[in-house]
Amino acid sequence: DGGITQSPKYLFRKEGQNVTLSCEQNLNHDAMYWYRQDPGQGLRLIYYSQIVNDFQKGDIAEGYSVSREKKESFPLTVTSAQKNPTAFYLCASSIDRGYTDTQYFGPGTRLTVL
Amino acid sequence: GNSVTQMEGPVTLSEEAFLTINCTYTATGYPSLFWYVQYPGEGLQLLLKATKADDKGSNKGFEATYRKETTSFHLEKGSVQVSDSAVYFCALRGYGGSQGNLIFGKGTKLSVKP
Repeated sequence: DGGITQSPKYLFRKEGQNVTLSCEQNLNHDAMYWYRQDPGQGLRLIYYSQIVNDFQKGDIAEGYSVSREKKESFPLTVTSAQKNPTAFYLCASSIDRGYTDTQYFGPGTRLTVL
Repeated sequence: GNSVTQMEGPVTLSEEAFLTINCTYTATGYPSLFWYVQYPGEGLQLLLKATKADDKGSNKGFEATYRKETTSFHLEKGSVQVSDSAVYFCALRGYGGSQGNLIFGKGTKLSVKP
């Protein structure tokens, strides 16, 4: 089955530590995205990538970093510079960035900073 | 910039009741409009979409019509079920560059009682 996988489902980290969230897709999509979701809020875009080895900042990129070395993979690193990292993180992909294209979402990773 | 406003929840209905969740938007041009659904602890699933004015999206008994004159995309269902309990997000996507990013409303939580 084609889809998007995110791991782990739950992640705990201590303050001051960097942590990397995994996102893999086998849909052969060119574009991939990372969103952050906080309680009672909509999703906010952290980073997106249209093609391999290229990515752009979204609305809330500070304290995060990404890489896109393979078409299938778009890992997100939450650095110690992120002031309030506890949140639900969602990865998505789409065929490209056409305005009619549907974004498909993974199951999410819930990050808790202790 | 582009924005989406949807009615605040939570919305509580009895099974078989009629559902309306209001969504209005602000955007330049003619964006594409989407409704996503999120079940507890999961990622988002596309429910329906419309890509031009007067289009009606429909899926699983849910419908929404793209109304350019009122800049609205209200979600409706004639008879809700307990299994429809979830959070519903309205979203839009414009053209090119950062306007091509998906913009979400804050979500409306629906609870359906038997």
